[in-house]
Amino acid sequence: EVQLLQSGGGLIQPGGSRRLSCAASGFTFNSYAMSWVRQAPGKGLEWISAISAGGDLAYYADSVKGRFTISKDHSKSTLYLQLNSLTAEDTAVYYCAKDLSAWGQGTLVTVSS
Amino acid sequence: IQVTQSPSSLSASVGDRVTITCRASQDIRNYLAWYQQKPGRAPTLLVYAASNLQSGVPSRFSGSGSGTHFTLTISSLQPDDFATYYCQQVNGYPQTFGQGTKVEIK
Repeated sequence: EVQLLQSGGGLIQPGGSRRLSCAASGFTFNSYAMSWVRQAPGKGLEWISAISAGGDLAYYADSVKGRFTISKDHSKSTLYLQLNSLTAEDTAVYYCAKDLSAWGQGTLVTVSS
Repeated sequence: IQVTQSPSSLSASVGDRVTITCRASQDIRNYLAWYQQKPGRAPTLLVYAASNLQSGVPSRFSGSGSGTHFTLTISSLQPDDFATYYCQQVNGYPQTFGQGTKVEIK
């Protein structure tokens, strides 16, 4: 069974940083591209980043480009999203996803002083 | 690529036929997925490649379309179907979601 277990959310001050983690199991992690999607409170879904199966290609939405970094650690079967220079507009539930069919449980990131 | 989803909300009764539409700003062939999301939960995949039903999804759900015009149809709305539905274009990066359609009980 595919499982994606997320961690790393919390309350962060504006301008701060945080790393989100997504521990994968139940599939061959280094064979799949992975993505991050976020959802601000009461709003719709926003695709923000993806990484190729091998981890060598990364893609970003304009809203996070230059501030967020996606990465994969194949030895740990874990996907990461490094969040830097956070603002209140980054407050959201962040989901990791494997292709289209498997999603993590989500982790809430709140940016506030 | 922009994706415009309509309507933003609708009210329907159990047993009704419901249709939700997504339009892409350029040809995305059949690279479109549909999701259902309930409050406080992650989205779940209903349809991929525009018209392929994900395993385990009831057959009352169906997707159609190609190019720039796509639809999700629920043939007979059931109580468990009251939720928000999103389309997502996956024709390269960046990927984009529609704005969502909230299906409420009439």
